[in-house]
Amino acid sequence: GEEVAQTPKHLVRGEGQKAKLYCAPIKGHSYVFWYQQVLKNEFKFLISFQNENVFDETGMPKERFSAKCLPNSPCSLEIQATKLEDSAVYFCASSQDVGASPNTEAFFGQGTRLTVV
Amino acid sequence: DAKTTQPPSMDCAEGRAANLPCNHSTISGNEYVYWYRQIHSQGPQYIIHGLKNNETNEMASLIITEDRKSSTLILPHATLRDTAVYYCIVRVLNSGYALNFGKGTSLLVTP
Repeated sequence: GEEVAQTPKHLVRGEGQKAKLYCAPIKGHSYVFWYQQVLKNEFKFLISFQNENVFDETGMPKERFSAKCLPNSPCSLEIQATKLEDSAVYFCASSQDVGASPNTEAFFGQGTRLTVV
Repeated sequence: DAKTTQPPSMDCAEGRAANLPCNHSTISGNEYVYWYRQIHSQGPQYIIHGLKNNETNEMASLIITEDRKSSTLILPHATLRDTAVYYCIVRVLNSGYALNFGKGTSLLVTP
């Protein structure tokens, strides 16, 4: 597709429940990034993929969070046993390339708002 | 990681040029400066990026100082729809190219 598609738009989970978020990158883009926006203006990088391979997971919490990008499927971000502090908007972005090439701009989806109650 | 410093907020009258400054004094030689904006709670939107030369596209111009320690994003004729949080970002080349957003500048365009 021509835009990054994130589903669902809103997700409400009780504490301790699992949450799964999906992201379909722009067709032809090799890189996928996940970010968490907890408070207005504050983004936290979580993880990135190059195709189906983890590219950088330095921002990923060690416990409860996992992510995948499998061929011919949307990428996913899963949170096991959600906590109140996981409430945030989760943004996915994709880019054609990274580094110093021209096509490195990241295109963002509209986000999934996760509310843990 | 190269950090950026931006004023927390700015105002601009509609139709005027909006000049948004950014300091990035620890930028490395091969790191690019990117600008994104977030309108209300939408996903961030790419605006422009550059290395050392000034850049212009249909949205904005980017002026980078010769020493590369600061830059200015220029919206030549601001409209009400340009009200957003603007993020100046130095691409983190040694950490998988993640975008380090910082707190950004909240630009309010007034009628």
